[in-house]
Amino acid sequence: AQTVTQSQPEMSVQEAETVTLSCTYDTSENNYYLFWYKQPPSRQMILVIRQEAYKQQNATENRFSVNFQKAAKSFSLKISDSQLGDTAMYFCAFTDTSGTYKYIFGTGTRLKVLA
Amino acid sequence: EAQVTQNPRYLITVTGKKLTVTCSQNMNHEYMSWYRQDPGLGLRQIYYSMNVEVTDKGDVPEGYKVSRKEKRNFPLILESPSPNQTSLYFCASRGLGTGSSGYTFGSGTRLTVV
Repeated sequence: AQTVTQSQPEMSVQEAETVTLSCTYDTSENNYYLFWYKQPPSRQMILVIRQEAYKQQNATENRFSVNFQKAAKSFSLKISDSQLGDTAMYFCAFTDTSGTYKYIFGTGTRLKVLA
Repeated sequence: EAQVTQNPRYLITVTGKKLTVTCSQNMNHEYMSWYRQDPGLGLRQIYYSMNVEVTDKGDVPEGYKVSRKEKRNFPLILESPSPNQTSLYFCASRGLGTGSSGYTFGSGTRLTVV
């Protein structure tokens, strides 16, 4: 069965600093997609960044970047120049390309950015 | 504006009283899905639908029903709610062949069953 593990329930970072959130997954598939979603206190689920497994280049979206290690099945999120608005719950998610596109979510990491 | 609309945003009900949470999307998406979010468990899929009249169970379907009579709507029905169904519920949708673009989520429904 496919699983997604986020081993850091809570983290904090000083404003303007860099923080890395960890995510590991388990699958026997070769092609799949990985995502990071942000859930601020408003509870809206916001897509932060996505990675396609067949692409070796790590995805980047402004201050957000990932470190995708396919062999290690690791997909960490790096937030640079942290801002107060980055305070949120972050979920890592996996989906394969079988056709159902079921998403498997991790348990989340609650990030607090400190002023 | 492209969006997934869920209603209500908050709901408190009593055990056994049937309820429906509505979900509608305006993006002509084929795939729609319901998730529940619980502390320490992340989001778990309840049901999903790949198109009109095509639905299937997710990981935690017990106690829930869905229907997909129209492409835009995917209501979640709790025939006899119980306190263990107290949770935060999300509806989500995405288009066919857009697996890499991610689901678009509704704003969530906080359900409390007393």
